[in-house]
Amino acid sequence: KQEVTQIPAALSVPEGENLVLNCSFTDSAIYNLQWFRQDPGKGLTSLLLIQSSQREQTSGRLNASLDKSSGRSTLYIAASQPGDSATYLCAGRFLDSWGKLQFGAGTQVVVTP
Amino acid sequence: NAGVTQTPKFQVLKTGQSMTLQCAQDMNHNSMYWYRQDPGMGLRLIYYSASEGTTDKGEVPNGYNVSRLNKREFSLRLESAAPSQTSVYFCASSERMGEDNEQFFGPGTRLTVL
Repeated sequence: KQEVTQIPAALSVPEGENLVLNCSFTDSAIYNLQWFRQDPGKGLTSLLLIQSSQREQTSGRLNASLDKSSGRSTLYIAASQPGDSATYLCAGRFLDSWGKLQFGAGTQVVVTP
Repeated sequence: NAGVTQTPKFQVLKTGQSMTLQCAQDMNHNSMYWYRQDPGMGLRLIYYSASEGTTDKGEVPNGYNVSRLNKREFSLRLESAAPSQTSVYFCASSERMGEDNEQFFGPGTRLTVL
């Protein structure tokens, strides 16, 4: 069974610092990995989807990397803002899983002014 | 386009009561999914429907039933609610099953079973 882990469970940074969020997975047969943002009491908003053939994917202040061999993905958020406060989830799609997502438990981020 | 909609947004049940969570999508997607989210555990797949007329168990199906009413709608039923089913339930849809297909999520239903 594939497992996806996010450590730490919670993180607090001062405004302006770069955020580094970690996601690890046990199965190297990963097809792609997706990062989501979840605001309190709300649904999931997709941030970035990175294919196993890519090493990086960028959107604005967000950059995601994927290293299949080490089983890790990292989401970088540059120059954090209080509006970045949310829970960030990663989810992997693995080969032979027919596209079903395997989620990590998430990292709750607080950016303090 | 409303995307994926879910009703109700909140619900409180007593142990043993039944209820149905409704989900609808307007993106003409073939595949739909039900997840539950518990603190510290991420989202876990309860049931999915690859296409109209088919349903399959996910990771945590016990205590639930589903119905794919038509292409747009996929409902989740709790026949006899238990406190362990207190959770946030998310519905999602994708164009079809498979690794290339992004899932789109609804806003969730927050269920408390007393």
